[in-house]
Amino acid sequence: ETGVTQTPRHLVMGMTNKKSLKCEQHLGHNAMYWYKQSAKKPLELMFVYSLEERVENNSVPSRFSPECPNSSHLFLHLHTLQPEDSALYLCASSQDEMGQGNEQYFGPGTRLTVT
Amino acid sequence: QKEVEQDPGPLSVPEGAIVSLNCTYSNSAFQYFMWYRQYSRKGPELLMYTYSSGNKEDGRFTAQVDKSSKYISLFIRDSQPSDSATYLCAMSYTSGNTGKLIFGQGTTLQVKP
Repeated sequence: ETGVTQTPRHLVMGMTNKKSLKCEQHLGHNAMYWYKQSAKKPLELMFVYSLEERVENNSVPSRFSPECPNSSHLFLHLHTLQPEDSALYLCASSQDEMGQGNEQYFGPGTRLTVT
Repeated sequence: QKEVEQDPGPLSVPEGAIVSLNCTYSNSAFQYFMWYRQYSRKGPELLMYTYSSGNKEDGRFTAQVDKSSKYISLFIRDSQPSDSATYLCAMSYTSGNTGKLIFGQGTTLQVKP
């Protein structure tokens, strides 16, 4: 579990709050990802960063704002969220974004509750 | 039609049983196939990673890919209560400068002592 770490593990926030989720990978990977996991639904890819550049944004509302200051760290800034945004937010990393070596390694997730 | 279909279950088996978990897919471009295990309140953990068709074995786990039928399987032999988890299939392809990784919905497995 120490390959990809996420903080905080649990977060409760009101709709007017601003908070940030943090992810750090210790695997020397070049690509990092944010996923949303809701009950009874497949993993939803939110953002992809490759070599610190955002390469994919899957129509995510602007109240979610990613930041990748370097290849080891990834943030997800949250503001004016809605109750339906309550979910498990997972960070993942892979050696490369595509091709062989794109198997992803996940962190433990942040359980987010929006009240 | 979803690109990847996976029966969510739940699947309940007695300890020691052989478990078969499956996914079907529609896009013949998929080249890399993965199985993840996710325990409650944890992130998914990579179990198996295979390229193209064939079998791969790792201890009690065997991953099988049949590209002609667009069907992948994960077999668990001598299942244990500690195998109780949600199992997600995932598959990916690369085309030029783009890549795509798609996850199945996950199958919940319960192994009863």
